Amino acid sequence: DGGITQSPKYLFRKEGQNVTLSCEQNLNHDAMYWYRQDPGQGLRLIYYSQIVNDFQKGDIAEGYSVSREKKESFPLTVTSAQKNPTAFYLCASSTQGAGVVNEQFFGPGTRLTVL
Amino acid sequence: AQKITQTQPGMFVQEKEAVTLDCTYDTSDQSYGLFWYKQPSSGEMIFLIYQGSYDEQNATEGRYSLNFQKARKSANLVISASQLGDSAMYFCAMRVRYNFNKFYFGSGTKLNVKP
Repeated sequence: DGGITQSPKYLFRKEGQNVTLSCEQNLNHDAMYWYRQDPGQGLRLIYYSQIVNDFQKGDIAEGYSVSREKKESFPLTVTSAQKNPTAFYLCASSTQGAGVVNEQFFGPGTRLTVL
Repeated sequence: AQKITQTQPGMFVQEKEAVTLDCTYDTSDQSYGLFWYKQPSSGEMIFLIYQGSYDEQNATEGRYSLNFQKARKSANLVISASQLGDSAMYFCAMRVRYNFNKFYFGSGTKLNVKP
């Protein structure tokens, strides 16, 4: 079955540590996205990528980094520079072929807690 | 600038009744798509329904329908015959042609269905 996988589901980090969240899709989508969601809040865009080896900052990119070495993979690193990283992180992907028509597909999310 | 506004932070509805969740949008692009997503407490984002800016008829998907009023720039979600499983957060989102790799999300509405 096609879809998006994120791992781990739960992640605990000590202050000062970098952690990497995994996102893999087998939908053959060109565009991939990372969102952050705080409790009871909406989605805020961290980074997005339209093509391999290219990505753009979203609205809250500070303290985060990404890479896009393969079409299927878009890992997110939460660095120690991110002051309040405890949140729910969602990865998504979308095709570009038909312009505005196609929706985003989302992974199940990773809950990151800083201890 | 593109913007999605959801003015109802929380709503209650009696089981088996219909409910309307409000969404207004702002864009200067003539070609855009509007999406609704459901987010249960588990965190996954579930795509519900899509409406294109050039679609003349309101979109429907089972118990979900989209009340699209282009002149008012509103795209309200109507859920008929509410079920307990409809209790969740609901997000309205938009994609515009000139930058169709980016999705704009509203802040969400928390729907509670009462038995």
